[in-house]
Amino acid sequence: GENVEQHPSTLSVQEGDSAVIKCTYSDSASNYFPWYKQELGKGPQLIIDIRSNVGEKKDQRIAVTLNKTAKHFSLHITETQPEDSAVYFCAARRMGSARQLTFGSGTQLTVLP
Amino acid sequence: EAGVAQSPRYKIIEKRQSVAFWCNPISGHATLYWYQQILGQGPKLLIQFQNNGVVDDSQLPKDRFSAERLKGVDSTLKIQPAKLEDSAVYLCASSSPANRNEQFFGPGTRLTVL
Repeated sequence: GENVEQHPSTLSVQEGDSAVIKCTYSDSASNYFPWYKQELGKGPQLIIDIRSNVGEKKDQRIAVTLNKTAKHFSLHITETQPEDSAVYFCAARRMGSARQLTFGSGTQLTVLP
Repeated sequence: EAGVAQSPRYKIIEKRQSVAFWCNPISGHATLYWYQQILGQGPKLLIQFQNNGVVDDSQLPKDRFSAERLKGVDSTLKIQPAKLEDSAVYLCASSSPANRNEQFFGPGTRLTVL
């Protein structure tokens, strides 16, 4: 089955700096890669996603890049703010797998004021 | 639009006891998922329903876990008997083709087994 590895497990940045979180996946048939933000005591919330026919996607301060050949994808957050502090999860979904997601282990992002 | 509802939010039980969790998905969402999230890890799918039918329960420990979605709307997940390693947050999610199959998660139930 699919295996998703995520790094780093913790990340601290100064407010206004950029943060980058990286994930690798094992199944070359995976074609959908969402990123979730999970705040304390809440369920994960989708913040951005990318499909395998696209190399990059941007939404305001958040961007995701995908390298299908290397089987890795990254989340980029620019101009970080204290409210960006949360746990971020990457995930991958295999083509035709009944929409099942395999999640990475998460990154605790702390934005220091 | 109301989100995914789950109850209870917290539950503490002793090992070998039974526990049940309830989930009400977003109205109209045919697909419902139960995940187990152990502290410090990502969510792991336990079971997926399409309406009232099971799509995948390959990662559900069927000797102690069971789940049902009898009328194709709300769902219950049961653990009987509980073990210490079942301590985790149990997340429910739902999705619909109308929302590009994006999974919407509930707040979860935090289970502590003593």
